[in-house]
Amino acid sequence: EAGVVQSPRYKIIEKKQPVAFWCNPISGHNTLYWYLQNLGQGPELLIRYENEEAVDDSQLPKDRFSAERLKGVDSTLKIQPAELGDSAVYLCASSDGGASTDTQYFGPGTRLTVL
Amino acid sequence: GDSVTQMEGPVTLSEEAFLTINCTYTATGYPSLFWYVQYPGEGLQLLLKATKADDKGSNKGFEATYRKETTSFHLEKGSVQVSDSAVYFCALIGYSSASKIIFGSGTRLSIRP
Repeated sequence: EAGVVQSPRYKIIEKKQPVAFWCNPISGHNTLYWYLQNLGQGPELLIRYENEEAVDDSQLPKDRFSAERLKGVDSTLKIQPAELGDSAVYLCASSDGGASTDTQYFGPGTRLTVL
Repeated sequence: GDSVTQMEGPVTLSEEAFLTINCTYTATGYPSLFWYVQYPGEGLQLLLKATKADDKGSNKGFEATYRKETTSFHLEKGSVQVSDSAVYFCALIGYSSASKIIFGSGTRLSIRP
């Protein structure tokens, strides 16, 4: 079974430029998550989707960050414009349910460097 | 709010040594508890989990017991290998957090041959 796929794996951009990350979850998984992982810290949730609906986006900085999951499968996270402090690893995860006991499966992440 | 505190690293051990990585949590009710591992260059992988008090999660020789009385979920392994070198994250999903995982800051483990 294929795991969670993310691209690109690495991205380097100048500040104020836009950037987008793509995620394809495990087939059949209805719940998709985007996390932010700063260096030396644990991941923090940005947004959670149930199918195509964003059910928790309370931690997403909506002035510059946006996300979509139009057909309830793959998802895109966008930053516009990027700031120096956005340098981090962006992780996507999926699960086949929204229960607290469900295992979340993580992709390898996209490492963003903003210069 | 809910939180997880785990021992700071890095932790360096010799091969075949006994491992303990401490983890304590703060949460209302009965959260689900997890240990995730991140090998170099790879994504986070679930190592083990426990969903109710006194449950023991185990996988690949690692164990952790859900202790409600001490709000702890310490990770242990009797004999570590070089291949266990990785970053280990303790995490919880609270009763009221609707599948939002709260992670600790991670503990980097290095095993010497």
